[in-house]
Amino acid sequence: AQSVTQLDSQVPVFEEAPVELRCNYSSSVSVYLFWYVQYPNQGLQLLLKYLSGSTLVKGINGFEAEFNKSQTSFHLRKPSVHISDTAEYFCAVRYLFSGGYNKLIFGAGTRLAVHP
Amino acid sequence: NAGVTQTPKFQVLKTGQSMTLQCAQDMNHNSMYWYRQDPGMGLRLIYYSASEGTTDKGEVPNGYNVSRLNKREFSLRLESAAPSQTSVYFCASISHRGQEETQYFGPGTRLLVL
Repeated sequence: AQSVTQLDSQVPVFEEAPVELRCNYSSSVSVYLFWYVQYPNQGLQLLLKYLSGSTLVKGINGFEAEFNKSQTSFHLRKPSVHISDTAEYFCAVRYLFSGGYNKLIFGAGTRLAVHP
Repeated sequence: NAGVTQTPKFQVLKTGQSMTLQCAQDMNHNSMYWYRQDPGMGLRLIYYSASEGTTDKGEVPNGYNVSRLNKREFSLRLESAAPSQTSVYFCASISHRGQEETQYFGPGTRLLVL
């Protein structure tokens, strides 16, 4: 069965410190990988995605993520966080099955709390 | 171009009542999806529609039905609401262009079942 694991449910960090939010997935087929951010009482906003090509992907708001096929990971990083980055972050994986629907599975989310 | 719209934004139901959540997209996408979001569980797929006239079950379909009325609209129906269906519901549509893919989410419907 396909699954996406976000290893930390909550990550507290001080402002201007670096942060890494971890995401691992089960894999027996090709995948597309996504990170979304959700601010309180809002919908989902796409931060970045990996479909193919360079394994280091840059997104909005200074975030980047690296696809590691051997470790089936897609960790999200930011070198210096701001108070405004406080939000919930979701990793999502689209499993690419031949001849049928391609499932999009979400992780449980990581709540990033940036403290002054 | 309004993107993905959902109605209503909020709804309170009593156990056993029925209701339909509406979703529409004006981007001419073939694929549309219904998710529910619960604390600590991320988004879970309820039903999806790969194209007009087709629907399939996702991870958590029990207690729900869907209708893909036309290419624009994909509705989610609760025939007999239960407290376990208290959640935030998101509709999404996906654009496929070759290998490029972009997902668009609606603003969500907050449902409370008493």
